[in-house]
This record gives sequence, C-alpha cells and structure tokens, in this order.
Amino acid sequence: GAVVSQHPSWVICKSGTSVKIECRSLDFQATTMFWYRQFPKQSLMLMATSNEGSKATYEQGVEKDKFLINHASLTLSTLTVTSAHPEDSSFYICSARVPPSGYTFGSGTRLTVV
Amino acid sequence: AQSVTQPDIHITVSEGASLELRCNYSYGATPYLFWYVQSPGQGLQLLLKYFSGDTLVQGIKGFEAEFKRSQSSFNLRKPSVHWSDAAEYFCAVGASNGGGNKLTFGTGTQLKVEL
Repeated sequence: GAVVSQHPSWVICKSGTSVKIECRSLDFQATTMFWYRQFPKQSLMLMATSNEGSKATYEQGVEKDKFLINHASLTLSTLTVTSAHPEDSSFYICSARVPPSGYTFGSGTRLTVV
Repeated sequence: AQSVTQPDIHITVSEGASLELRCNYSYGATPYLFWYVQSPGQGLQLLLKYFSGDTLVQGIKGFEAEFKRSQSSFNLRKPSVHWSDAAEYFCAVGASNGGGNKLTFGTGTQLKVEL
C-alpha cells in the first residue's frame, strides 16, 4: 500500500519551455506532499511542502515563480518548472506523507533542459 | 532545526562481509529516524524506521538499525552484504513534534560491494 506514482520518469525539453511533473497517490489520500531536488551524487534537497487545497510552502532559496506547485486534490500534486534553463536540469522526486508518521516516494523524474 | 550527518561518503565491502553505515542526527526531542536506499536513477525505498519503543529496529533485506539517544546515532547494519546491496543509502530525520513533518536527509553513503 501507500504508493506514489510519478510521471514522467524522464523528460528533455528546450530552454525557455515549461515542464510539468505529476505525482499521484494511488491507494491513499495524500494530504501533504513534498518535492525534492537531487543533483548527481548528492542528497535530496527539499524544495517545497504542499498541502491539499492551500498554497505550497517553499524552502528558503527556492523560486516559487519558477517552480509552481499545485495540490488541488488529495491524490494529485504537480510541479511545473517554468521557463526552464539548463541549470534546472536535475532529478526531481516527490514524496507523500503517510499517516501517522511514514513517507512514501515517487520514482523520480530526470529533467534535462537543452 | 534538525540535521543529519553521514560521515562516510563511500564505503567498500566484500560480499559476505558485515556492514555498518553511520548516521548522526541533531534534534531537540525524540526524532523520527529513517534509512532509505536508492539505486541509480530511481526513487527511494524505505529500509526501516524508528519512531519509539525498541531501539533496535529490523528492516527489509536483512538490515537493522539501532537508535542510541546518548550518541545521537542511528547506524545501519547488515551481518552479510550481498552484491545487490550496492547502492546509495540515506539516513533521514523527521520532527516528532510537527515541524511541517518534513524530512531532512543526510548526504548519503555510496556502498560498493566487491565480489
């Protein structure tokens, strides 16, 4: 149980375009979801926390206008990288909180901006 | 603020040998502690977690970890490593008192297994 499906698993886009990444909770309701960014051979850095029906809370240094997060339903959260540039290339992972105190992770999205 | 330190960036062990990956945390109260494993290009798989109770926690794939409050540690162990255990291992701490419920990850330990 408690599976999060993340799509796409990889995407290549042109510089200046926008890319949307989706995370769906398949068998539970995800009230809280987290978005992480991971650079090669580095740890996961939390970008933002989203709660269903409210605005996301961004970590310090994360541009909220570049990384748009929407959590409009209990089973879907999306991250849109707007006007992507090569420096946005990274591995993005979503996670959902599974009450009472667990977490489950998506399989990640490899974004390459060319 | 919570933080996690994984002192070992890389560890190499022979197949069949025992393994211990170190994790130290900083948190004001009793933390929620996790160990995850990540294969290249993949998401994270939970190995085990500690919330309360017995300080020796058993996980999947033969892994275990021991919570030592006096040392602020949560080291991961396995008696006999298999070649398939080669991966990146992350220790994480979560706030037990809310704190947005977010996890803070260590920098990870890359495990290489020699055949």
